[in-house]
Amino acid sequence: EVQLVESGGGLVQPGGSLRLSCAASGFTFSSYDMHWVRQGIGKGLEWVSTIGTAGDPYYPGSVKGRFTISRENAKNSFYLQVNSLRAGDTAVYYCARSRRDGHGFDYWGQGTLVTVSS
Amino acid sequence: EIVLTQSPGTLSLSPGERATLSCRASESVSDSYLAWYQQKPGQAPRLLIYGASSRATGIPDRFSGSGSGTDFTLTISRLEPEDFAVYYCQQYGSAFFNFGGGTKVVIK
Repeated sequence: EVQLVESGGGLVQPGGSLRLSCAASGFTFSSYDMHWVRQGIGKGLEWVSTIGTAGDPYYPGSVKGRFTISRENAKNSFYLQVNSLRAGDTAVYYCARSRRDGHGFDYWGQGTLVTVSS
Repeated sequence: EIVLTQSPGTLSLSPGERATLSCRASESVSDSYLAWYQQKPGQAPRLLIYGASSRATGIPDRFSGSGSGTDFTLTISRLEPEDFAVYYCQQYGSAFFNFGGGTKVVIK
């Protein structure tokens, strides 16, 4: 059974940093592109980063330079380092897996809440 | 960057009715790299449709997707009580994976 479990969320002050983790199981992790998607409270979905099987990262302009995605295939895990946090980064952060053919995100974790507040 | 605009923002229908949700892209979506997701309160999104018209594993055939280029549609042929939720489209071409703003389907 495919499972994705996020961890690392919490309360952080503006300007602070966090490292989110996603532990994967039930599939050959190294063969899949992986993603982070966030959702502000009561808001829509926002894609925030992707890492390809070769470790190639992708970001939208809204987070480029502040967020860094990485993966550790030996641990079946990938990560999101989030720096210079601001109130607008408050959200539930989901990790997700691409379908093997790259068409859509077929498995999602349950999310980890990041709250940026003083 | 392709911007996706979903309409309407809210759709008020009764069980058994047909739902038609629209997703319009600011430029052509390459190779119909367009997906639809369903999200219920407190849950992660669920993939419904990929490649504009292919149903994901386990998705009932009352859900169908159509369209190409800049205009895409998700149709729910007869709404079941469990279908009242928020629906998002997503394009995934050119290493960008952005979502539309969502359509909320509510019980009339």
